[in-house]
Amino acid sequence: IAGITQAPTSQILAAGRRMTLRCTQDMRHNAMYWYRQDLGLGLRLIHYSNTAGTTGKGEVPDGYSVSRANTDDFPLTLASAVPSQTSVYFCASSEKTGGLETQYFGPGTRLLVL
Amino acid sequence: GQNIDQPTEMTATEGAIVQINCTYQTSGFNGLFWYQQHAGEAPTFLSYNVLDGLEEKGRFSSFLSRSKGYSYLLLKELQMKDSASYLCAVKDSNYQLIWGAGTKLIIKP
Repeated sequence: IAGITQAPTSQILAAGRRMTLRCTQDMRHNAMYWYRQDLGLGLRLIHYSNTAGTTGKGEVPDGYSVSRANTDDFPLTLASAVPSQTSVYFCASSEKTGGLETQYFGPGTRLLVL
Repeated sequence: GQNIDQPTEMTATEGAIVQINCTYQTSGFNGLFWYQQHAGEAPTFLSYNVLDGLEEKGRFSSFLSRSKGYSYLLLKELQMKDSASYLCAVKDSNYQLIWGAGTKLIIKP
C-alpha cells in the first residue's frame, strides 16, 4: 500500500531519554518534512529534506535532529527529551518542493514526555 | 512575522452551506492550501489556489484574493462526515508551508 508510515504510533517517554521517531515513504518523493502539532497552534515545521543527503532547519528545530540517508527514510531524533516536546508528530512528503506540490502526511506519532 | 488567521470553531447544520475564512500575512506567496483533518488522524489535502478566483471540486470550493490576503473554503450540502478541522496553509517565499491553527467544524443534524 503506497503512502507514509510512522512508528511508533504512540510513546510515553521519561525526560532525558533519547528517542527516534521513524518515517518511511514508498512514493519515491524527493522532499520530506517533520511537523509537530500542538493544541491551539498550527502545524510547525521542525526539519525538512529537499532530497536524499540534504536536510534543513524549520521553524522549531531546537532539541531535534534528522538524517536522510536514502529517499525513503527520514528519522527524527530527540537527543534528550523534555516535557515541552510532548506533542503529535507528523511526517510528510511531497514529490518536489515547488509551489504546486502537495504534501502527504503519515498517521502521526503521539509522544508524551514525563 | 508570518501569520495565518482562521476562526477556532464553527457550527453548521447537516445539508446546509458553510464558509470558513482564512486571512494571511506571509513573506512571499506560492500558493494556498486547504487540508481536512479528522480528530486523531492526519491532515489530508483538499484544495490548492495560486491564482485569484474560485476553484470548485465537488461539494468543496476554495476562493483566493491575493491582494486582500484572503481565502475561504466553501462546503455545500454538509454531511455529518464533514465534521473535522479545516487547516489553511500558505507556501511562503522559501516554499515552506505556514499553517493556521485550524477551524473545528461541528455539524449538527
